[in-house]
Amino acid sequence: SYVLTQPPSMSVAPGKTAKIACGGNSIGTKTVYWYQQKPGQAPVLVVDEDGDRPSGIFERFSGSKSGNTATLTISRVEVVDEADYYCQVWDTSSDQVVFGGGTKLTVL
Amino acid sequence: QLHLQESGPGLVKPSEALSLTCTVSGGSIFSSGYYWGWIRQTPGKRLEYLGTIHDSGTAYYDPSLKSRVTISMDTSRNQFSLRLTSVTATDTAVYYCVTTRDSSGTPSEHWGQGTLVTVSS
Repeated sequence: SYVLTQPPSMSVAPGKTAKIACGGNSIGTKTVYWYQQKPGQAPVLVVDEDGDRPSGIFERFSGSKSGNTATLTISRVEVVDEADYYCQVWDTSSDQVVFGGGTKLTVL
Repeated sequence: QLHLQESGPGLVKPSEALSLTCTVSGGSIFSSGYYWGWIRQTPGKRLEYLGTIHDSGTAYYDPSLKSRVTISMDTSRNQFSLRLTSVTATDTAVYYCVTTRDSSGTPSEHWGQGTLVTVSS
């Protein structure tokens, strides 16, 4: 089955840029989605197909992909961005929806 | 604004069936353009997709759970439901009802608040 790998945690200072990686075989050929989850809340879609942002999501969030890595970039990080972030794809080969294990972002 | 709310027992005994209902408000589940699905989050915070259903009644399930999962709809009540049979402790999770854009099961733009289901005797 298809596997997505994310670093368990990362930290960034306020005002800096956070880049959260999601590794998967030929992920650059797949549609990648990103979710933000704050404690006690349901996940929220923050990056949609082709790196687009859903309505209401800050423009500081963007997505990119190439080869075996997809990246969620959060520019000018704020304390409110502290959360868990998950990547998601649909693997056509196995017909499975796959989530990465999540990355806990700490804003120092 | 679409609102989804899960309901059902919070405790299920091993080997029994887990049944949850999602009540949708702010829009109709029939001819809305959405598919209606279920995702769960384990105590270790891993997200797992279970399946999704279209208002035609056609359901699509994750291959690894297909033998145990059934998703159904009740358009008269604007609800859809999840049934998971032969549960074990590994089915303990927070269960979310969600929308999905298509039969692939991605992405999920709308989520319920989630409901914790514990499998224990």
